[in-house]
Amino acid sequence: QQQVKQSPQSLIVQKGGISIINCAYENTAFDYFPWYQQFPGKGPALLIAIRPDVSEKKEGRFTISFNKSAKQFSLHIMDSQPGDSATYFCAAQSNYQLIWGAGTKLIIKP
Amino acid sequence: KAGVTQTPRYLIKTRGQQVTLSCSPISGHRSVSWYQQTPGQGLQFLFEYFSETQRNKGNFPGRFSGRQFSNSRSEMNVSTLELGDSALYLCASSLSPTGGNQPQHFGDGTRLSIL
Repeated sequence: QQQVKQSPQSLIVQKGGISIINCAYENTAFDYFPWYQQFPGKGPALLIAIRPDVSEKKEGRFTISFNKSAKQFSLHIMDSQPGDSATYFCAAQSNYQLIWGAGTKLIIKP
Repeated sequence: KAGVTQTPRYLIKTRGQQVTLSCSPISGHRSVSWYQQTPGQGLQFLFEYFSETQRNKGNFPGRFSGRQFSNSRSEMNVSTLELGDSALYLCASSLSPTGGNQPQHFGDGTRLSIL
């Protein structure tokens, strides 16, 4: 019940395309859902986050879609660029713990 | 504002030794969390400290321990090192404890290799 399932494990997208990463959770106590981006040799960096009372949040080319009834949320990267190539982690937070997805390695082909 | 600083960046140890890793949080942040990251297991939560108290602990053996000082700096210690402890150890700081809807800010980690 504490797991966050992230898919796909890896993703290859052409430059200019849309990258979509999905996450699903079970625990309805989760109340904060951040996405992190990690480049090789660096720690994860917060990309964008959403709370369950909002169905969508957009920041530049990055959008989180949130479906509370399905307990799913996804990250969309519009007009994907080679510089977006990184590992992306979704996470879900309850009142005492942050549960992480397994990560998605995204490669944008020029 | 300086980010989260972890030292050392790289460390090589042999089995049976012990190691201490250090983390300086962002100024004003009082919560520090530690994670182990490996290619096969992703990000695994070790423990969280807030105001010098361990607030939460992950599912790791007692060989893994930590502490936080009054200036919010934190250290983690791993004793009797095993080959499987080879990993990237990440520290993250936050204004409030997990659950306060404040984002965690990560350092670049300490890469620990066990020979």
